[in-house]
Amino acid sequence: EVQLLESGGGLVQPGGSLRLSCAASGFTFSSYAMTWVRQAPGKGLEWVSSIRGSGGTTYYADSVKGRFTISRDNSKNTLYLQMNTLRAEDTAVYYCAKVVRGILSSGNDYWGQGTLVTVSS
Amino acid sequence: QSALTQPASVSGSPGQSITISCTGTSSDVGGYDYVSWYQQHPGKAPKLMIYEVSNRPSGVSNRFSGSKSGNTASLTISGLQAEDEADYYCRSYTSSSTVLFGGGTKVTVL
Repeated sequence: EVQLLESGGGLVQPGGSLRLSCAASGFTFSSYAMTWVRQAPGKGLEWVSSIRGSGGTTYYADSVKGRFTISRDNSKNTLYLQMNTLRAEDTAVYYCAKVVRGILSSGNDYWGQGTLVTVSS
Repeated sequence: QSALTQPASVSGSPGQSITISCTGTSSDVGGYDYVSWYQQHPGKAPKLMIYEVSNRPSGVSNRFSGSKSGNTASLTISGLQAEDEADYYCRSYTSSSTVLFGGGTKVTVL
């Protein structure tokens, strides 16, 4: 059974940093691209970033480019999102999700339960 | 880039069919067969219902179907059931090597 478990969310001040983790199990982690998607309170879904299975290629939304870094440790079956220079508008539930195939194209077939990040003073 | 355009709400009676549209441009929806659809119940994670325009993952009811014409993709739910009441989002790959979601559609079963 595929499982994705996010952790690392919490309350952080504007300008601060946070690192999210997503522990994966139930599939060959290194064979699949992974994605972070966020959802602000009461709002829709927003794609944040994606990374190839090997970790060598990454993609970012313009809203987070230069501030967030996606990475993965295939030896630990874990996906990460390093978030720096956080802003109030980054407040959201952050989901990690497995990609069906490819990196960006086919969609996300398994999702974690999400972790809440709140940016506030 | 702006979000893909979806109607804010769609409703139908049990047993009826409804269709949710998702309109983009030739740089996203119209340019690739990479549209997917997600169902989200309140407080829950999204669930993949359709990928690559019309493919249904195993375990998803065949009451859900997807299609595309030009720059508009559609999700049809036939034989509407109470459990189908949820928010639905479309998603598309873009020519800028990014991903766009639609604004979401709230489906109400009357």
